[in-house]
Amino acid sequence: GAVVSQHPSWVICKSGTSVKIECRSLDFQATTMFWYRQFPKQSLMLMATSNEGSKATYEQGVEKDKFLINHASLTLSTLTVTSAHPEDSSFYICSAGLAGGRNEQFFGPGTRLTVL
Amino acid sequence: LAKTTQPISMDSYEGQEVNITCSHNNIATNDYITWYQQFPSQGPRFIIQGYKTKVTNEVASLFIPADRKSSTLSLPRVSLSDTAVYYCLVGADTGKLIFGQGTTLQVKP
Repeated sequence: GAVVSQHPSWVICKSGTSVKIECRSLDFQATTMFWYRQFPKQSLMLMATSNEGSKATYEQGVEKDKFLINHASLTLSTLTVTSAHPEDSSFYICSAGLAGGRNEQFFGPGTRLTVL
Repeated sequence: LAKTTQPISMDSYEGQEVNITCSHNNIATNDYITWYQQFPSQGPRFIIQGYKTKVTNEVASLFIPADRKSSTLSLPRVSLSDTAVYYCLVGADTGKLIFGQGTTLQVKP
């Protein structure tokens, strides 16, 4: 089946530093990927749509300069949390779907970000 | 995207059948209904998807009435490992998913 991976699975960083999270579709190509954030005991919140070869589309309230998204190839999207602060600590999850897959998304295992 | 309403939590015992109902009164004609399962600290996993009537796979069944304003996920003979959060989502073929609160299912021995 379709597999999506994320790297790293967890990361701890100091406040003010930037962190890059990778999302890869391992056995299929994805022109569109999605990034979500999930706080403890809460649901997933869609942050942005990552489009291969073009700019990402951000959801309302998500700072595009804070969360940089690059979708340079059909199998890789990256999310960079710039100048991270403790309130950015969260579980970041990406997803990708097969073309014509009727909304079936394959999710990565998530990345736990802790900002000290 | 259509808003969904689910019970916040449900309890069950091993071996029982569990039915989780989701309301989506504003579902659009081209929307599909999809259910996902999520374990703690993991990404959601696709369970089942349907458009109308009944769909069954090796994991679950999905019942959708004719008006499509609700749907019921049925898990046969649950086990402890089915303890998870279950999300009902509706949307067209765009991949963009707006998650609601989900239903936390607790299966007890």
